[in-house]
Amino acid sequence: AQTVTQSQPEMSVQEAETVTLSCTYDTSESDYYLFWYKQPPSRQMILVIRQEAYKQQNATENRFSVNFQKAAKSFSLKISDSQLGDAAMYFCAYRPTQGAQKLVFGQGTRLTINP
Amino acid sequence: EAGVTQFPSHSVIEKGQTVTLRCDPISGHDNLYWYRRVMGKEIKFLLHFVKESKQDESGMPNNRFLAERTGGTYSTLKVQPAELEDSGVYFCASSQLETVNTEAFFGQGTRLTVV
Repeated sequence: AQTVTQSQPEMSVQEAETVTLSCTYDTSESDYYLFWYKQPPSRQMILVIRQEAYKQQNATENRFSVNFQKAAKSFSLKISDSQLGDAAMYFCAYRPTQGAQKLVFGQGTRLTINP
Repeated sequence: EAGVTQFPSHSVIEKGQTVTLRCDPISGHDNLYWYRRVMGKEIKFLLHFVKESKQDESGMPNNRFLAERTGGTYSTLKVQPAELEDSGVYFCASSQLETVNTEAFFGQGTRLTVV
């Protein structure tokens, strides 16, 4: 069975600094998607960034980028120039490209931004 | 465009009572998913509808949980009778059916507390 592990329950960073959230996963599939979702307090969970496993190039979305290491099964999220609005729970998730469409999530990392 | 909406946002009930959660997906989204996050743990898949049919209900904890999606529009998740361990945040998500590489949109969740 696929599993996703986020080993950092909480992280904090100074505003304008850079922070990296860790995520590792386990799967026997060769093709799959990886995601980072953000859930601000009492608000909807939104997709931050998506990586397709067959693509070697790391995905980027403005201040958000990932470090995808397929052999190591690692998928970390880097947030550059942190802003107060980045404060949220961040969830790493996995989904195979074939078969079941359900997402497998990690435990989440609560990110605090210090002004 | 309206996003995924969930009702209620919070519910506090006594052990043994019945609670019904509702999810309105984005219009036109045939895929509908229910997930649950128990305090401090990962978000876990409960079940997946394609239109009105249950595609995958492998994550449903037991027969106290009943999900329906009559007419393939909104969905309800009923817990009867509720137990203390059912407390958590219940998320609903929807996505389009056409392609595999399609983003799932989440609601804000329903926080259920069983006392």
